[in-house]
Amino acid sequence: ETGVTQTPRHLVMGMTNKKSLKCEQHLGHNAMYWYKQSAKKPLELMFVYSLEERVENNSVPSRFSPECPNSSHLFLHLHTLQPEDSALYLCASSSRFDRGGSYGYTFGSGTRLTVV
Amino acid sequence: AQKVTQAQTEISVVEKEDVTLDCVYETRDTTYYLFWYKQPPSGELVFLIRRNSFDEQNEISGRYSWNFQKSTSSFNFTITASQVVDSAVYFCALSETDDMRFGAGTRLTVKP
Repeated sequence: ETGVTQTPRHLVMGMTNKKSLKCEQHLGHNAMYWYKQSAKKPLELMFVYSLEERVENNSVPSRFSPECPNSSHLFLHLHTLQPEDSALYLCASSSRFDRGGSYGYTFGSGTRLTVV
Repeated sequence: AQKVTQAQTEISVVEKEDVTLDCVYETRDTTYYLFWYKQPPSGELVFLIRRNSFDEQNEISGRYSWNFQKSTSSFNFTITASQVVDSAVYFCALSETDDMRFGAGTRLTVKP
């Protein structure tokens, strides 16, 4: 148990489906992050939320839509994805005052997404 | 701009061998933080160590040791007497005032 819980662990979806990934933390953190990890590629930062406000969006296609209803929960809504979006999606959290990661991030176990 | 380079994509060793994972970083800041994370097959990134730029003292934790050298902008990680359970992908990361940036990772396979 890492303190950051992601569900589901595995997801297979068709290109016309709509699904959501969920991330939950009860560490008292108030900054949350979505990363994408594709095979043989570096970790890619997708979105950053600080105090429930999106503060960074790294040119992510609109078929990925994040939502942060409160400081403990983060969602990634998916629709009309492409096969190249198949990857491991990792959620992380940190203190808002530590966005530079000076104490490191706490990561979830990820959702392995396969788009067919 | 931040950049973290892990030149070794994959390393394979036999159990009980020592292995060093290299990490070279680029930054213009004088204050920054360096990290190593381990990603086992289960997926989550597990925090191993954090170093700030003002602390060049090397650290040892059991079979793990880290060598931080500002002169060469390197933060290498050594596993002594490797074990099969050390098999994982290891990421080096750099953080300044904005978010963390990760290297591409090194996949370590320890064979029995």
